[in-house]
Amino acid sequence: KAGVTQTPRYLIKTRGQQVTLSCSPISGHRSVSWYQQTPGQGLQFLFEYFSETQRNKGNFPGRFSGRQFSNSRSEMNVSTLELGDSALYLCASSPGLAGVSDTQYFGPGTRLTVL
Amino acid sequence: QKEVEQNSGPLSVPEGAIASLNCTYSDRGSQSFFWYRQYSGKSPELIMSIYSNGDKEDGRFTAQLNKASQYVSLLIRDSQPSDSATYLCAVKLGNAGNMLTFGGGTRLMVKP
Repeated sequence: KAGVTQTPRYLIKTRGQQVTLSCSPISGHRSVSWYQQTPGQGLQFLFEYFSETQRNKGNFPGRFSGRQFSNSRSEMNVSTLELGDSALYLCASSPGLAGVSDTQYFGPGTRLTVL
Repeated sequence: QKEVEQNSGPLSVPEGAIASLNCTYSDRGSQSFFWYRQYSGKSPELIMSIYSNGDKEDGRFTAQLNKASQYVSLLIRDSQPSDSATYLCAVKLGNAGNMLTFGGGTRLMVKP
């Protein structure tokens, strides 16, 4: 089975711009979660989508948004980029079944640099 | 107080030794516990998951969970230089969908 794919892998933007990142989950997985990883804050949860609905949201400003399509592919958008948004953005997919054993598998990430 | 705590390390062990990585968590509602390995410049890779008190073994890896003490650990037997990486402990609440809360990670160095 193919793993989680993310595009693009690297991105350079300037402050004030917006960016859209894409994630394709493992085939059959219906839940997609997004995380931000920075050296200072570590790995932090952004949001989770399941069946095209946001199921959970982390503590990030409204500039961070996402959506999920009927084929479970997901996009996240960051508007009005700030220098502090420079990070590795990771997508993780899981079957999405209710229960403690639902396990997430990470994609390779998108490295975003804001200048 | 951080919700999931790990010693940042580095933890240095000789090749062939047992590496012991520890993690404590604050929310007693936590139901699922995961260990991920992350090589420098790469994304996290799942090593183990554990949901019940006790030990769970998979090859050279053993995860241990003690919910009363709010403590989860990962033992790596016969450590290899290729095990050198950052190990991330992640915790999920039972009613929080798939929101994982991560510790800061422990950097493990296995010396030949």
